[in-house]
Amino acid sequence: QSALTQPASVSGSPGQSITISCTGTSSDVGGYNYVSWYQQHPGKAPKLMIYEVSNRPSGVSNRFSGSKSGNTASLTISGLQAEDEADYYCSSYTSSSTSLYVFGTGTKVTVL
Amino acid sequence: EVQLVESGGGLVQPGGSLRLSCAASGFTFSSYWMSWVRQAPGKGLEWVANIKQDGSEKYYVDSVKGRFTISRDNAKNSLYLQMNSLRAEDTAVYYCARELPRFATFDYWGQGTLVTVSS
Repeated sequence: QSALTQPASVSGSPGQSITISCTGTSSDVGGYNYVSWYQQHPGKAPKLMIYEVSNRPSGVSNRFSGSKSGNTASLTISGLQAEDEADYYCSSYTSSSTSLYVFGTGTKVTVL
Repeated sequence: EVQLVESGGGLVQPGGSLRLSCAASGFTFSSYWMSWVRQAPGKGLEWVANIKQDGSEKYYVDSVKGRFTISRDNAKNSLYLQMNSLRAEDTAVYYCARELPRFATFDYWGQGTLVTVSS
C-alpha cells in the first residue's frame, strides 16, 4: 500500500488562502468518503482537523475546509495565520489487503 | 478532558522486544476502538494496529504481522503494544490514538513514545 501523494510544501502570506491536495486511488480516497486531515506542529501530536472529507470536529476553526473530487481530496486554509504553520497529513480508509488506513506523505505549510 | 499518555519506549537492539503502554483518561475507554500509529524520524505517519472495544478483533499492517501484538485492559484503561523481533525500520515515535471506525478517523492522540532500534 503506497502512501497518498501530497505536495511537499505549500506557502502563503497571512490572510491568503492555500490548498493542499491529497491524491490516492479508487481503493482509498476515490472509493470512500473517509478522508481525514491532521495538523502536526513540530514535536507535537497530530490534531484532527477534518473527517469524512469535509466535516470539522468541534473547536476547529471554520477557516479549515475539505473537499474531494475523484481520487483527489483537498484541504483549504483560508485567512492564513501564523499559527497555521505546521505539517498536514491526509488519511483514508483503504480496501488494500495490507492495511486498514493509509496516510499521505505530508505537506509543510509555511506562512510567509 | 481526553488524555492519552504513552510510555515504554527506549533503545533496543535489533531482534529485541519492547512493550509500549498507553494510559487513557477523560473518556469511557471500554467504549472505543483504539489504534497505534507510528512516525519514523522526519517521515510521515503509518497506521500500525487497532483493537476493538472488547479486544475480540485486532488488525495489523502487514509489516508488523506476526511480530507485534496489540492488547488492552479495560479495567486499567490501558492499551498495549508488544513488539518482538524488532528491526531498524521499526524506529519511530509510536502514538496511541482513539479511533472512530464509523468515520474512519482518529480524534485524539497521545504525545508519543520514541522507540529506537539500533546496535
